[in-house]
Amino acid sequence: GAVVSQHPSWVICKSGTSVKIECRSLDFQATTMFWYRQFPKQSLMLMATSNEGSKATYEQGVEKDKFLINHASLTLSTLTVTSAHPEDSSFYICSASIPRGNYGYTFGSGTRLTVV
Amino acid sequence: KNEVEQSPQNLTAQEGEFITINCSYSVGISALHWLQQHPGGGIVSLFMLSSGKKKHGRLIATINIQEKHSSLHITASHPRDSAVYICAVNLPLHLDSGGSNYKLTFGKGTLLTVNP
Repeated sequence: GAVVSQHPSWVICKSGTSVKIECRSLDFQATTMFWYRQFPKQSLMLMATSNEGSKATYEQGVEKDKFLINHASLTLSTLTVTSAHPEDSSFYICSASIPRGNYGYTFGSGTRLTVV
Repeated sequence: KNEVEQSPQNLTAQEGEFITINCSYSVGISALHWLQQHPGGGIVSLFMLSSGKKKHGRLIATINIQEKHSSLHITASHPRDSAVYICAVNLPLHLDSGGSNYKLTFGKGTLLTVNP
């Protein structure tokens, strides 16, 4: 149980275009979704926390106009990288807290974004 | 200074060896997690600990809250155990952030390679 499905698993896009990444909770309601970014050989860095029906909370240094997060339902959260640049190339992964899981989390499979 | 320190950074072992990965943290936490990240990037939650010891198959995780230290042990290691093992701790979010009151802070990971 408590599975998060993330799509796409990889994407290549041209500079200046936008890319949308989806995370769906398949068998539970994800009130809160966390979005992380991971550069090669680095640890995961929290970008933002999204709560269903409200605005996302962004970490310091993360541009909210560039990384648009929508959490319109309890089963779907999306991250849109707008006007992508090569430096946005990274591994993006979502995570949701498990309901009644006493601080447990489940992770999506991640999206490898390459901007050319 | 990173709030979560892992050691070693890299670990190479022969199949069958007993493996220990250590994690130290500097602040009070509500829970500690051990995660496994395979080369494709997907992350699997192995353990969530707030005290004592947990065992799952060949994996054992322990935590000493007073010493702010946790260890992950792998008995009878196998090449399929090769992965990055990440320690993460629950830290309180700012009180006005809404939704979940905790976020994960990650160590840099330990790259384990088990040779046949």
